[in-house]
Amino acid sequence: AQTVTQSQPEMSVQEAETVTLSCTYDTSENNYYLFWYKQPPSRQMILVIRQEAYKQQNATENRFSVNFQKAAKSFSLKISDSQLGDTAMYFCAFNMNRDDKIIFGKGTRLHILP
Amino acid sequence: NAGVTQTPKFRILKIGQSMTLQCTQDMNHNYMYWYRQDPGMGLKLIYYSVGAGITDKGEVPNGYNVSRSTTEDFPLRLELAAPSQTSVYFCASRPRQGDYGYTFGSGTRLTVV
Repeated sequence: AQTVTQSQPEMSVQEAETVTLSCTYDTSENNYYLFWYKQPPSRQMILVIRQEAYKQQNATENRFSVNFQKAAKSFSLKISDSQLGDTAMYFCAFNMNRDDKIIFGKGTRLHILP
Repeated sequence: NAGVTQTPKFRILKIGQSMTLQCTQDMNHNYMYWYRQDPGMGLKLIYYSVGAGITDKGEVPNGYNVSRSTTEDFPLRLELAAPSQTSVYFCASRPRQGDYGYTFGSGTRLTVV
């Protein structure tokens, strides 16, 4: 069975710093997709970034980028120039190409300190 | 474009009462999902549907029922509410498998007292 592990339950960084959130996953599949979701205090779930496993190039969305290491089954999220609005719970998620459901990690609570 | 709309946003139920959480999407997505999120925790899948007339259980279906009579609507029914069902409920949708992430509704905060 596929699993997603986020080993950092909670993190705090100063505003403007760079922070990296870790995520590892376990699968024997070759075709799959990875996602990072953000859940701010408003509780709305927001898709931050996605990565196709067949692409070697790491996905980037403005200040958000990933470090995708397929052989190591690692998918970390880097937030550059962190802002107070980045304070949220972040969920790593995995989906096999042929599966109906996305599997979520337990989340990392990120605090950006002024 | 409204996306995924959940109603109500908040609800307090007494033990043993029943209610239906409404979920509607206007994106013509085939796949729809119901998750619950307990305080400080991740998401647990309750039920999902891959198209009108088709539903399937997730990891925590007990105490809930769903139906999918149209592409747009995917209501979640709670029968005989229990305190263990106190949670935030999210509805989500996606057009198909694979590369699409979910579009989530804004959630329903349910308290059973």
